[in-house]
Amino acid sequence: DVKVTQSSRYLVKRTGEKVFLECVQDMDHENMFWYRQDPGLGLRLIYFSYDVKMKEKGDIPEGYSVSREKKERFSLILESASTNQTSMYLCASSLLPQRGSRFLLYQPQHFGDGTRLSIL
Amino acid sequence: GIQVEQSPPDLILQEGANSTLRCNFSDSVNNLQWFHQNPWGQLINLFYIPSGTKQNGRLSATTVATERYSLLYISSSQTTDSGVYFCAVGKTSGSRLTFGEGTQLTVNP
Repeated sequence: DVKVTQSSRYLVKRTGEKVFLECVQDMDHENMFWYRQDPGLGLRLIYFSYDVKMKEKGDIPEGYSVSREKKERFSLILESASTNQTSMYLCASSLLPQRGSRFLLYQPQHFGDGTRLSIL
Repeated sequence: GIQVEQSPPDLILQEGANSTLRCNFSDSVNNLQWFHQNPWGQLINLFYIPSGTKQNGRLSATTVATERYSLLYISSSQTTDSGVYFCAVGKTSGSRLTFGEGTQLTVNP
């Protein structure tokens, strides 16, 4: 089974702090993703990466950065935490699309357990 | 971007009842997943189903890609089925997912 591990289930930080959220997957997946989940807004994509040292902005990248120095690890960084970044953060990973007989076969995403981050 | 609409937003059932959850999406997709989020916030993969029909125990799902919708069926519901059910679709490279807002299911004993 795919295992996606997030470093903390609960985290409390103060406004202005630099915050690191870590995610590790054990299945040699190329793709990794960071989402945040807020009531009434569902899950929204912050950043994703399809290879080491590669990153792409998602729908809400402002106030965040990411780092992918190794294939198995994808870090989300809050450069200067603010109260509006209090949220549930979820990491996911997947394989690159695989080539089938005629089409690319996209692969399912597997999620970690989430980190509930509170910024005071 | 692609729009995903789930219905109903809330559903309350008695244990043993059956239910159907719907997911409509606004464009052709290469990836569609159904998830269950339990009360502890964990997202559990239920189905990877960009087209066709799959079954897993009391749960089954059908995606009609040409008509841009997917259905999740839950039969003989149990209290442990409670939680939020999300549909998520992917269209672009990297298979990034766009999530619907979910269906909050409550199964009462």
